[in-house]
Amino acid sequence: QKEVEQNSGPLSVPEGAIASLNCTYSDRGSQSFFWYRQYSGKSPELIMFIYSNGDKEDGRFTAQLNKASQYVSLLIRDSQPSDSATYLCAVNIGSARQLTFGSGTQLTVLP
Amino acid sequence: GAVVSQHPSWVICKSGTSVKIECRSLDFQATTMFWYRQFPKQSLMLMATSNEGSKATYEQGVEKDKFLINHASLTLSTLTVTSAHPEDSSFYICSATIAYEQYFGPGTRLTVT
Repeated sequence: QKEVEQNSGPLSVPEGAIASLNCTYSDRGSQSFFWYRQYSGKSPELIMFIYSNGDKEDGRFTAQLNKASQYVSLLIRDSQPSDSATYLCAVNIGSARQLTFGSGTQLTVLP
Repeated sequence: GAVVSQHPSWVICKSGTSVKIECRSLDFQATTMFWYRQFPKQSLMLMATSNEGSKATYEQGVEKDKFLINHASLTLSTLTVTSAHPEDSSFYICSATIAYEQYFGPGTRLTVT
């Protein structure tokens, strides 16, 4: 079992819809969870982090964390074509400072 | 805030030569930086953890004598690819940490001919 798993996609949604990206992790001791966006040919950009159970909202983005079920999700409201990218879920496994990344979900927002 | 720069952004070198890539945290101090490599259509692969004032920690399978890492100050880490070969051609990305948050540099695209 991979430590951090994401559906590779591709995921396509129409412009204006809600895009839902999911991630599961294997280590119950993980404390910090991150979502990165990576455009083709570019480096990852941190868009959200969450440490506590529940929801965290930032603009059109909402991160949701459920430690009991070991999943973290990212919702993108009012999706725009510019949101088309690969979204990487990352987790601090245990007490390590390094991040363990999922393989990423490719999102396409159709105009 | 939390800006990380890399230089150069791209480099072409001949097989057998060495290439140095710099990673700088511009507006914060980073005791820990990470170096990643990414091949086309693949996920990030962590190469090593760079700690200021101490030796880098390399991931399994990464040759420490080939990929030399120096973290000389709280804002600068360098990666030197020694005796580069075409199979070293890749996208090299560094990141710097604030607490557990990692901020990535823009990456360096290395092509070895």
